[in-house]
Order: sequence, then C-alpha cells, then structure tokens
Amino acid sequence: GAGVSQSPSNKVTEKGKDVELRCDPISGHTALYWYRQSLGQGLEFLIYFQGNSAPDKSGLPSDRFSAERTGGSVSTLTIQRTQQEDSAVYLCASSRRWGNTGELFFGEGSRLTVL
Amino acid sequence: GENVEQHPSTLSVQEGDSAVIKCTYSDSASNYFPWYKQELGKRPQLIIDIRSNVGEKKDQRIAVTLNKTAKHFSLHITETQPEDSAVYFCAAGGGANNLFFGTGTRLTVIP
Repeated sequence: GAGVSQSPSNKVTEKGKDVELRCDPISGHTALYWYRQSLGQGLEFLIYFQGNSAPDKSGLPSDRFSAERTGGSVSTLTIQRTQQEDSAVYLCASSRRWGNTGELFFGEGSRLTVL
Repeated sequence: GENVEQHPSTLSVQEGDSAVIKCTYSDSASNYFPWYKQELGKRPQLIIDIRSNVGEKKDQRIAVTLNKTAKHFSLHITETQPEDSAVYFCAAGGGANNLFFGTGTRLTVIP
C-alpha cells in the first residue's frame, strides 16, 4: 500500500493477556518507530529500528514490552501480561531517512483497551 | 536522553489572529526540529521542520524559529483559519538522538 498500515485498529483485551500489534511500513523505508499516545497525552517514544542495526529499546517502559522487525520490513510490538495502564493508542511510523532527521509517516494506530 | 517541553497545552484564538507555540529541548546535540499536526481522530502529519543550521523557515502562513543557544524553537501561525484547529506537536532529535516529542498543544480557532 501507499502508507503505513497497522493492525488491529482496535483491540480489547483482559488484564494479564498478551497482545501483538503489527506495523507494515512504507516500502523502502529503513527507519521504523513505535510511539504510544495515551488519552490527551503526547507521543511517548518506545523503540526505534534503523536498517540492520540493533534497535534502540530505551523507551520501552518495562520488560513486558518487546518488539521485533523481520527482514527489515514488518514490525511487531508485543505486550505481555497486559495491565490497565497499557491502554493507549500505539502508533507506528516509518521514515526513509537515516539519523532521525527525516519526515515520519504515521499509521492510523492501534487502539488498545485493557479491561 | 532528550527532554522536550511544550507550551501552552491549550490555545484559543479568534479566526484571523496569530498563534504561537513554544518548545524547549535539553540536548544540545539535537539538530532536527519538526512540527506535526494531528487533527481529531487522525494520524500526526509533518507540517514544517527546521534544521540547526538555520534560524528561521517559512511556508505560507506557517513559520518556525530556532534559537540554538537558548535551546528553544517556536511555531508561528498567522491569519489563523478554523481548519488550523488541531493538536500540534513539536519534536527534537537527530544525530545520535531519537526523535522525542513534546506533550502537544490543542489549538482552537474560533470563527
């Protein structure tokens, strides 16, 4: 497709369950980011993938969060043993430029609700 | 890491007036400062950006200024229109720094 695609668009889960969120970046974009946006809040950096380099995981809030990017394209964000405070919109973005100095193209986001 | 602060959190202006949003950053190594606009229920989109080798950049009714010494940058919107109503995010990063966003400013343009 022409833009960044995220799935699912909405996910409701029970506390303690694991969830997986998927991101398909724009073809050819080497940089991929995950951000979290809580209700009425800003964009909280989670993790950054750049080409084949080791990802920057410094924004992940706890060891329940992990992400991988297979083949330099699709990325999956996994949240284990979900908690109510994990409820938020998880936004993925990709960029074709290295070094965090290019335009980010965001997906529509995955809205996670933990009951 | 980088810390970006953004003010005000909400801003209401009359149509036709100007709006100014200010941000500060903490890491002098940051060299890229974009601004994103997020309309209600939509994804953030880049509206303008500035790099550390310039002090000001304009694009029609939108301008950004950067003061590297003071580590602050601002977004100026002139002749505001109702369609300018949205949440605006500043960000700082580049080089070894990831892109960190401010907490956002909800701008309301009153017709």
